[in-house]
Amino acid sequence: EPEVTQTPSHQVTQMGQEVILRCVPISNHLYFYWYRQILGQKVEFLVSFYNNEISEKSEIFDDQFSVERPDGSNFTLKIRSTKLEDSAMYFCASTQGTGGVVGGYTFGSGTRLTVV
Amino acid sequence: SQQGEEDPQALSIQEGENATMNCSYKTSINNLQWYRQNSGRGLVHLILIRSNEREKHSGRLRVTLDTSKKSSSLLITASRAADTASYFCATADNYGQNFVFGPGTRLSVLP
Repeated sequence: EPEVTQTPSHQVTQMGQEVILRCVPISNHLYFYWYRQILGQKVEFLVSFYNNEISEKSEIFDDQFSVERPDGSNFTLKIRSTKLEDSAMYFCASTQGTGGVVGGYTFGSGTRLTVV
Repeated sequence: SQQGEEDPQALSIQEGENATMNCSYKTSINNLQWYRQNSGRGLVHLILIRSNEREKHSGRLRVTLDTSKKSSSLLITASRAADTASYFCATADNYGQNFVFGPGTRLSVLP
């Protein structure tokens, strides 16, 4: 069964450093998303991406964050200067259509980011 | 913004019992979905119910949707220890664009 692949599974970084989280969505999916989950809290929407541009972003997704689809297969989330509060599990997801109309979203298994 | 809110926050039952989790939301939706997350792992899609549907079944799962009350329930019948996980409801708005998760219900099934 097709799956969304995220790398690395765990990233430890020093405060102030830049990190890039990588995702390979399912090949025929058109919409891509990043979510995060701070330990013990709910899953929060960060950003959605379609047709090579951001279609929606949340308040969390400030200027420190950026997304890119550099080569038609990878979908990356960059955090420019990490803060302690960026420590969380980051999930990538993809879907064929919006709102899961064609089916549910497919999520990756996540990258656990620890900022020290 | 719309938001799914599950209750209870935590539920502990014995193997073989049924588990019921509820989700409430605030605004009109296109569909509502339930996901499972094993500790520290990714989210697994369980079931999607559209706003014009009232009930759906998938194996031991039964989902209901009451749009007049803006609520949904997930019933897991004959629970197993392997069902131990967090369960999230998520709602998609009428444009299918925004997709919001509730805080989840932590289900523990004791052998």
